[in-house]
Amino acid sequence: EVQLVESGGGLVQPGGSLRLSCAASGFTVSSNYMSWVRQAPGKGLEWVSVIYSGGSTDYADSVKGRFTISRDSSSNTLYLQMNSLRVEDTAVYYCARAIRTTYDLAYWGQGTLVTVSS
Amino acid sequence: DIQMTQSPSSLSASVGDRVTITCRASQSISNYLNWYQQKPGKAPNLLIYGASSLQSGVPSRFSGSGSGTDFTLTISGLQPEDLATYYCQQSYSSPPYSFGRGTKLEIK
Repeated sequence: EVQLVESGGGLVQPGGSLRLSCAASGFTVSSNYMSWVRQAPGKGLEWVSVIYSGGSTDYADSVKGRFTISRDSSSNTLYLQMNSLRVEDTAVYYCARAIRTTYDLAYWGQGTLVTVSS
Repeated sequence: DIQMTQSPSSLSASVGDRVTITCRASQSISNYLNWYQQKPGKAPNLLIYGASSLQSGVPSRFSGSGSGTDFTLTISGLQPEDLATYYCQQSYSSPPYSFGRGTKLEIK
């Protein structure tokens, strides 16, 4: 059974850093397109980042240069390192897996809440 | 970047109704259009991929159509459990793989 479990969210001050983790089971992270998608309180979905099976990465302009997506094959875990956090980064962060090259996100975690506030 | 415009932003319908939600892309995206359902307090769930292909396990009352810039999600025979917000997402070419702003569906 495919499962994605996020962790690492919490309260952080503006300018601070946080690392989110997404532990995967039932499939191999490094063989799939993996993404982070966020949702600010009461708002819609915002695509954040992707890491492709080949290892290349892409980011939304809103996080480019501040966030880094990565993965660890030994632990089968996806990460999102978030630096220079801003109040507007406050959101529930979901990790998700695309099962086709058409990049449809078929599996999602339950999400982890990041709150950036002083 | 490709912009996705969904309409309406909200709607109210009765059980058994046929409901249509539209999504328009700012440029042609071929059939690289996905639809998601998000129930309150839950993660999104993939309904339709490739504009018209039904994801495994999704009830057949959900269907998608369109290509190029204009797309439609149809729910034929609305059920109480369809209360949710629906999002389109384009996955054409390179990122960002942008989402529409969502359509909140309420049951009368």
